Amino acid sequence: DADVTQTPRNRITKTGKRIMLECSQTKGHDRMYWYRQDPGLGLRLIYYSFDVKDINKGEISDGYSVSRQAQAKFSLSLESAIPNQTALYFCATSDLRVSPSSYNEQFFGPGTRLTVL
Amino acid sequence: QKEVEQDPGPLSVPEGAIVSLNCTYSNSAFQYFMWYRQYSRKGPELLMYTYSSGNKEDGRFTAQVDKSSKYISLFIRDSQPSDSATYLCAASSGAGSYQLTFGKGTKLSVIP
Repeated sequence: DADVTQTPRNRITKTGKRIMLECSQTKGHDRMYWYRQDPGLGLRLIYYSFDVKDINKGEISDGYSVSRQAQAKFSLSLESAIPNQTALYFCATSDLRVSPSSYNEQFFGPGTRLTVL
Repeated sequence: QKEVEQDPGPLSVPEGAIVSLNCTYSNSAFQYFMWYRQYSRKGPELLMYTYSSGNKEDGRFTAQVDKSSKYISLFIRDSQPSDSATYLCAASSGAGSYQLTFGKGTKLSVIP
């Protein structure tokens, strides 16, 4: 079973609709992230959460909101979707504990392809 | 100016070729440099990381960082069709830093 899962994998919606993308993880990690990926722009951080009560805005949070329902679940919402939110969305997780000799890897889910018409 | 610049390609090479993928960065605080590999319709996965300047080798892959010129490289020897993917460079100021700054990614195709 995948360690980081995202639902749905694909979604087509219309302008103005509310959309929720969900992420679940079985890695036991404290930190969770939402990114969007656009051609020519790379991966950009939308929101990140260090634990259930600690949620922070990333580089491009406008138009998005998140909810950390449990350590293992982190949802991304588009309250009123617009066409320029058409993108690939990735959830990622990482461990809070860091060994001085190693890098704290982020593990990515398979992504959700969202199209806003 | 984006903090990590990467030529998006695409790059097409014959099987067995040596591939060189490169990035430049502007933030002197970056200490950790990563290469993520992303297959089509999949999420990125960490391929290698390097701390500060120097080389790191893992099988056919070598990551190289030159902090004096702010240059990040990934070399792939004896490239295989299974190496066809998008390669993303990334940088971070600390081992536990939540903030990864990604390049745009280079799409590589290895032709049999």
